[in-house]
Amino acid sequence: QQQVKQSPQSLIVQKGGISIINCAYENTAFDYFPWYQQFPGKGPALLIAIRPDVSEKKEGRFTISFNKSAKQFSLHIMDSQPGDSATYFCAALNYGQNFVFGPGTRLSVLP
Amino acid sequence: DGGITQSPKYLFRKEGQNVTLSCEQNLNHDAMYWYRQDPGQGLRLIYYSQIVNDFQKGDIAEGYSVSREKKESFPLTVTSAQKNPTAFYLCASSPGTGFPPSSYNEQFFGPGTRLTVL
Repeated sequence: QQQVKQSPQSLIVQKGGISIINCAYENTAFDYFPWYQQFPGKGPALLIAIRPDVSEKKEGRFTISFNKSAKQFSLHIMDSQPGDSATYFCAALNYGQNFVFGPGTRLSVLP
Repeated sequence: DGGITQSPKYLFRKEGQNVTLSCEQNLNHDAMYWYRQDPGQGLRLIYYSQIVNDFQKGDIAEGYSVSREKKESFPLTVTSAQKNPTAFYLCASSPGTGFPPSSYNEQFFGPGTRLTVL
């Protein structure tokens, strides 16, 4: 299965709170998992990425948690800010294939 | 100033007309991609090219055509055969498609072209 499922579809968080977005996949051949951030009317931009040989990767306020046995990975945004309001896409890559993207999560951070 | 440029930003087309979307990159990337984005949906791959003069169909290639005559350019033509062409079109490039997957595969996106069929 080449599908990547993503939830929630939309998320509202208060400023300073933690935003959590979850993704799940079926294809065990996937071995690279990036997250993209997209602002309205703009192209997506790489936020953070992880390989399945590590369980967690942190860059500033953004953390990816990876659970290989459950075939799930999640993005945590700590101390969420109004400027983080955007659509977030998870993706998965299998060597020799192309990226498969989740449907996206629209995050709104209230001031 | 390296990056990916797409033009035009907005494009209006009458039904039955073909239209070409431009994508140029100066990142010296080998691979280039075209995606379509509809509201509430993820990115769907239209076409991709891993090397000059070669390209492959993606998941939704029907009604579209591409060419890759130069490394830096990958134009997309939306033909009249595309039944529902109104969408946001994104071009991307990556250094290559190496193994194991890593930042070498990472895709960099252009700002997009919004196509509206009148």
